[in-house]
Amino acid sequence: NAGVTQTPKFQVLKTGQSMTLQCAQDMNHNSMYWYRQDPGMGLRLIYYSASEGTTDKGEVPNGYNVSRLNKREFSLRLESAAPSQTSVYFCASSEEGQFQPQHFGDGTRLSIL
Amino acid sequence: AQSVTQLDSHVSVSEGTPVLLRCNYSSSYSPSLFWYVQHPNKGLQLLLKYTSAATLVKGINGFEAEFKKSETSFHLTKPSAHMSDAAEYFCVVSVWIKTSYDKVIFGPGTSLSVIP
Repeated sequence: NAGVTQTPKFQVLKTGQSMTLQCAQDMNHNSMYWYRQDPGMGLRLIYYSASEGTTDKGEVPNGYNVSRLNKREFSLRLESAAPSQTSVYFCASSEEGQFQPQHFGDGTRLSIL
Repeated sequence: AQSVTQLDSHVSVSEGTPVLLRCNYSSSYSPSLFWYVQHPNKGLQLLLKYTSAATLVKGINGFEAEFKKSETSFHLTKPSAHMSDAAEYFCVVSVWIKTSYDKVIFGPGTSLSVIP
């Protein structure tokens, strides 16, 4: 009964380092999303993937790249981390045709020094 | 343009008393509206959603919300608070416009505390 699984749960980086956040879902959902959550700002969409093989920018895509590796997996990459990217990152998925995330992972807490 | 306002950043209630979390929205289109709950160190969980069917929507854990178009509101209520309801609650507006991502707007959240 895993749902959406994110790894790692916590990470500390130095400015300029790169890393990839992993996300996998086992519900056969077509749509997947990456959000960041900052205090007092709700969630903001970074990138989304409506289906395997497609990705599109969200509200705050700068500094990030994504890969929809297959139907299950959707990764988020920070090429050169900046302190402004310190946040909690959530991956989510939804059924086809419903453009709202219904299932969320538990988040990755990322600190950039 | 779409927007969501959650009128209270923090609400505190006593266990067993009613809960009211307020949400107002602005949308140029017919919106879908949602409430999500987030417990500490967890992802968001969908509580309920309104998608132009019945205006009174029942969700999980005894929560319900009423869509009032004239007031552009979608307030979340529960008759009797339980300790396990203490969490952050997000109101969300969504408009499905194909190829347009930015029609899903999260409110800033309301933190609910439940006093024993």
